[in-house]
Amino acid sequence: DIQMTQSPSSLSASVGDRVTITCRASQGISNYLAWFQQKPGKAPKSLIYAASSLQSGVPSKFSGSGSGTDFTLTISSLQPEDFATYYCQQYNSYPPTFGGGTKVEIK
Amino acid sequence: EVQLVESGGGLVQPGRSLRLSCAASGFTFDDYAMHWVRQAPGKGLEWVSGISWNSGSIGYADSVKGRFTISRDNAKNSLYLQMNSLRAEDTALYYCAKDIGCSGGSCYPNFDYWGQGTLVTVSS
Repeated sequence: DIQMTQSPSSLSASVGDRVTITCRASQGISNYLAWFQQKPGKAPKSLIYAASSLQSGVPSKFSGSGSGTDFTLTISSLQPEDFATYYCQQYNSYPPTFGGGTKVEIK
Repeated sequence: EVQLVESGGGLVQPGRSLRLSCAASGFTFDDYAMHWVRQAPGKGLEWVSGISWNSGSIGYADSVKGRFTISRDNAKNSLYLQMNSLRAEDTALYYCAKDIGCSGGSCYPNFDYWGQGTLVTVSS
């Protein structure tokens, strides 16, 4: 199975900050990488697929980049509604696997 | 609007069975693969199983292979997960997730919509 490693596991940031989360795959996955946002008590919400394509309705403050084994999710200006846990997921091969999550908290 | 509504969760003793259902609406159900993804309390996400649009291709996580069976009824716009020989480690919130769909003839397990989940607790 492909292992997905996210860093950091948690971070504290202020409203207006630029935040970057990284995700590393244990082997190359081309651009078959998705990002999800999960708020407490809620289902995950799809933000990005194909490493950098924004899902319909997702604001442009979210952006993704990377290919191969190294990927990033960037939030350009953190807002109160962005405090959540973020997961990456590879879908290059079965079984699809998720990173351990990055919890973004208010500083 | 895409809606996925899971049901069937509950408290069950180890070794017993449970059947989860997912009612889908707001999209052409039989055009898309569907998946079950679970989340143990306070933990991350784990893909459990997936099924293609016509049930011709099915996959399972090693952790549930031989114990869980995924199925779908396209006439009823419904997805199911039959869970047998349940273990304490199967305790989780089980989400139904819609696949984003195939592109250029290639299909990958990529999820765009999720239900709210149904909680399965395995305990004596």
